[in-house]
Amino acid sequence: EVQLVESGGGLVQPGRSLRLSCATSGFTFDDYTMHWVRQFPGKGLEWVSSISWNSAKITYADSVKGRFTISRDNAKNSLYLQMDSLRTEDTALYYCAKQFILGSTRHDAFDVWGQGTVVAVSS
Amino acid sequence: EVVLTQSPATLSLSPGERATLSCRASQSVNTNLAWYQQKPGQAPRLLIYDASNRAPGIPARFSGSGSGTDFTLTITSLEPADFAVYYCQQRSNWPPIFSFGPGTKVDIK
Repeated sequence: EVQLVESGGGLVQPGRSLRLSCATSGFTFDDYTMHWVRQFPGKGLEWVSSISWNSAKITYADSVKGRFTISRDNAKNSLYLQMDSLRTEDTALYYCAKQFILGSTRHDAFDVWGQGTVVAVSS
Repeated sequence: EVVLTQSPATLSLSPGERATLSCRASQSVNTNLAWYQQKPGQAPRLLIYDASNRAPGIPARFSGSGSGTDFTLTITSLEPADFAVYYCQQRSNWPPIFSFGPGTKVDIK
């Protein structure tokens, strides 16, 4: 069974840092682009960042560029999100999600999601 | 940057009725559009990819259509489990980023 389990969320003051982790199992992790997506309280979804299988291609939403850093460790089947200079508007539920691949075709959609980890930024 | 808008914001229907949800992109995304269902307390679930293809395990009552800037998700006969929030999502070629629409809530009339 494919599983994604996020951890590392919590309550943090503005300007501080937090590192999220996503432990994966049940699939060949280094075949897949991985993503972070967040959901604001009671509201919609926002894509945060993506990293290709070999870390060669990394992209960020403008709202987090320069503050967040995505990374992965293929030996540990794990995805990370280093969040620095946190702001109150970063308060959200953070999901990791995997790229959808069907057969040998890679699609720009997310087919498996974790249950998320809550990040609350407040003084 | 591509902006997605969804309409209506809320759709109130009864079980057995047909639901038609709209997603409009601010510029063409070809068929690079996906739809998700989200229920309270759960992560989103992929329903449709590439505008019109059902993801594995998704019932046939869900269908997607459209290309360019206008897309539709249709649920032919609503079942109790279908009352949820639905999001569309796209990936643009440049800049190579993803975005989601604000969602349509389908609730019980």
